[in-house]
Amino acid sequence: DAMVIQNPRYQVTQFGKPVTLSCSQTLNHNVMYWYQQKSSQAPKLLFHYYDKDFNNEADTPDNFQSRRPNTSFCFLDIRSPGLGDAAMYLCATSRGGPVQGPEQYFGPGTRLTVT
Amino acid sequence: AQSVTQLGSHVSVSEGALVLLRCNYSSSVPPYLFWYVQYPNQGLQLLLKYTSAATLVKGINGFEAEFKKSETSFHLTKPSAHMSDAAEYFCAVSDGPDSSYKLIFGSGTRLLVRP
Repeated sequence: DAMVIQNPRYQVTQFGKPVTLSCSQTLNHNVMYWYQQKSSQAPKLLFHYYDKDFNNEADTPDNFQSRRPNTSFCFLDIRSPGLGDAAMYLCATSRGGPVQGPEQYFGPGTRLTVT
Repeated sequence: AQSVTQLGSHVSVSEGALVLLRCNYSSSVPPYLFWYVQYPNQGLQLLLKYTSAATLVKGINGFEAEFKKSETSFHLTKPSAHMSDAAEYFCAVSDGPDSSYKLIFGSGTRLLVRP
């Protein structure tokens, strides 16, 4: 089945130690998104790629970076995780347009713990 | 800018009772609207979408929603609640083409189903 895959599902890192979360998709969608979701809150968009074009949200901290080496994969790098970065990180994809389909499809998420 | 309001952070119903989760949006143009469901420690799953076709939209798991332009509402309903419906529900509106159809989420409603 076509899907959005996130690895790992659970990640523990130390304060200040760089960490990378990965997302892959078999849907061949143009757009990939990264969200941060804290407990009992709605997902908050960090950035997205439309094909190779990177779009950063204005309030995304510089500590968060992303890479999309090809259509299928996208990575979230947290350069120096702080305790406040502990959250669920969600990857999503979409075709990216009204004709192609504006709905987003989400992966299962990676829960990040910072110790 | 688009916005979404979900009335009621928690809704409690008895098993077999009607489920009604409220969502109001602000948009100056016909929007794309979505309902997502999130189970604990999982990603978001698309329940249904409105993309300017029929105003009554049927989704998965017996849910449906009605787009009412005059009320700027897109409430989610299910005739008979099941225990497995207990989850967090998010209403979302899709932003326009200039921002790759980013999703703007409501704050979420946690549905509790009593036996």
